[in-house]
Order: sequence, then structure tokens, then C-alpha cells
Amino acid sequence: AQTVTQSQPEMSVQEAETVTLSCTYDTSESDYYLFWYKQPPSRQMILVIRQEAYKQQNATENRFSVNFQKAAKSFSLKISDSQLGDAAMYFCAYRGNAGNMLTFGGGTRLMVKP
Amino acid sequence: DAGVTQSPTHLIKTRGQQVTLRCSPKSGHDTVSWYQQALGQGPQFIFQYYEEEERQRGNFPDRFSGHQFPNYSSELNVNALLLGDSALYLCASSLSSGVFSRKDGQFFGPGTRLTVL
Repeated sequence: AQTVTQSQPEMSVQEAETVTLSCTYDTSESDYYLFWYKQPPSRQMILVIRQEAYKQQNATENRFSVNFQKAAKSFSLKISDSQLGDAAMYFCAYRGNAGNMLTFGGGTRLMVKP
Repeated sequence: DAGVTQSPTHLIKTRGQQVTLRCSPKSGHDTVSWYQQALGQGPQFIFQYYEEEERQRGNFPDRFSGHQFPNYSSELNVNALLLGDSALYLCASSLSSGVFSRKDGQFFGPGTRLTVL
């Protein structure tokens, strides 16, 4: 079974600075998808960014980018120019080749200081 | 375009009771998944419904059951509630086929907060 680990329960960043959230996963599959979700206090999960495992190029969405290291099974999220609205729980998630279920990590709480 | 909606928002039950949670998927989506998120943890996959049948199931007991209707909406039923069932229950919808279906993540609703006393 696949597992996803987020080793940082909490992170803090100064407004306008850059922060990196870590995620590692374990799988025997070669084709899969990785996601970062944001969950603000409103509780609704919002998709931040996705990465296809077969793509070597790291995904980027505006201020959000990933560092995908397939051999190391590492998938970190970098948030540039942090804003107060970025404060939330961030979850790393894995989706395998078969089925449509997501396996989530335990989450990282990001605090943004003004 | 309405996103995923869930009802009710909050629910309080006592041990041994039964509960039904409801979910309407995002317009155009045909697959509904349910997740349980305990406080301070990541969501855990319960099961997924497609074409009115349970397609995939996580490691949850038979007390957890579900249903999908012809309009793709879904219900999650939990029988014989335990204190440990207290959690946020998230519904997520997706499209089962097509070029975007696999690379897209799932679209989540705001969840139902279940408290079991």
C-alpha cells in the first residue's frame, strides 16, 4: 500500500518570504499523480498544484511550485512571496495508476506572520 | 457552476445511533468519493461510488455504507455510531473518464462535522 509522509507538523514564514513544505511517499508504481491541497479554516480542500510522475518538469502555478524527485520519492511544495491568505493546513496526496482514491499525508500547518 | 455541496454542515449524535450524510457532486462529475478526517489528521478514504455501485473501498468496517443515485448524488450511512466516528466527513467528486480524469485531483465539498457523544 502507498503511504504519504509529511514530516513537518507546523511551519512558519514571514509575509513575502519563501517557504518549502516537505512530502515523501512510498510506492511500487511507476505511473501516478501527486497533489498538494490547501485546507483553510473553512475546511474546504482546495487543489493547489498537481504533478504527473511521468513528467520530469516540475509543475508551477503562479507563486506555487514543486520539487519532484522521483527516485527519492520526494515531492516538496515551495510557496514564494507568502501572503496572509496562504495560512492553512497543507496536505500532500498520492493517486495511483489504478483506481481514483487519494492517499493523504498527515498535513503541515502553515502560519504566515505579518 | 455549483461545486460540491454537502449536508448537513454539522451533526450531533449519540453512541449507537445511525447517521446519513449527503453529497451532490460538481456539475458534470459522475464519481463520488467519501473521506473521513479525524481532528488534526489527513483525510482517510472510505469508499468511492460510480454508476451507482461501490467501486473501491478503504479500510473501514461494514458499519459504513453508501449509495449513489441516478443523478450522481451520494449518501454516506454510518450505523451503530462509536465515539471514534467523530470526524469531518468530506465528499469529493471527479470525472471517471476522459483525458482530464486521471490528472485532475478530486473536487472537495466543505464537509460535514459529525460529533458522537
